[in-house]
Amino acid sequence: DADVTQTPRNRITKTGKRIMLECSQTKGHDRMYWYRQDPGLGLRLIYYSFDVKDINKGEISDGYSVSRQAQAKFSLSLESAIPNQTALYFCATGEGSLGTGTQYFGPGTRLLVL
Amino acid sequence: SQQGEEDPQALSIQEGENATMNCSYKTSINNLQWYRQNSGRGLVHLILIRSNEREKHSGRLRVTLDTSKKSSSLLITASRAADTASYFCATDAGTGGGADGLTFGKGTHLIIQP
Repeated sequence: DADVTQTPRNRITKTGKRIMLECSQTKGHDRMYWYRQDPGLGLRLIYYSFDVKDINKGEISDGYSVSRQAQAKFSLSLESAIPNQTALYFCATGEGSLGTGTQYFGPGTRLLVL
Repeated sequence: SQQGEEDPQALSIQEGENATMNCSYKTSINNLQWYRQNSGRGLVHLILIRSNEREKHSGRLRVTLDTSKKSSSLLITASRAADTASYFCATDAGTGGGADGLTFGKGTHLIIQP
């Protein structure tokens, strides 16, 4: 979905390095999410944000941090990358009204930690 | 932990046939959604069914929901080669209409043989 963009699309890094994945959206949604996808495990929620001042941990937040710089931008950082963080990472946005829950996903960032 | 579990894990059918995949979940939900993912790409929202609905249609898609059995099915009629993808069910069990993030199953990989 071109309304949600992620950079970089692919990244190779080494164990111990700090990296940042960025997400931008033009949908005007307040809610933003970070998920990771591993083969055979589906998607799992890392962090989510209701607005610039509201950040919440998801199911697997250990080893990750986030920053919501503006309504349109939500970044995910790996403070000290480790090989088991090798995965496909997705950013998503969600509409703010209750009862919808529909989310709109970016194209993903493929991360390899050596 | 995964809320939804899709069945089968993989499905291969001939073009023109109908494809049915199922999803089971564990806890009460506000709504259940189905997403499609083409290989290595972002997820695309297909259809949302609320907990008080039993059936919903969208084009060639038909979704049913049985809250007593905590299960849902997705039927794709008259399949096409372009339907080849992975299909995920996702449940919204939060209090904010999906604001807490969706919980995804592991997916059904559908292959449409020409």
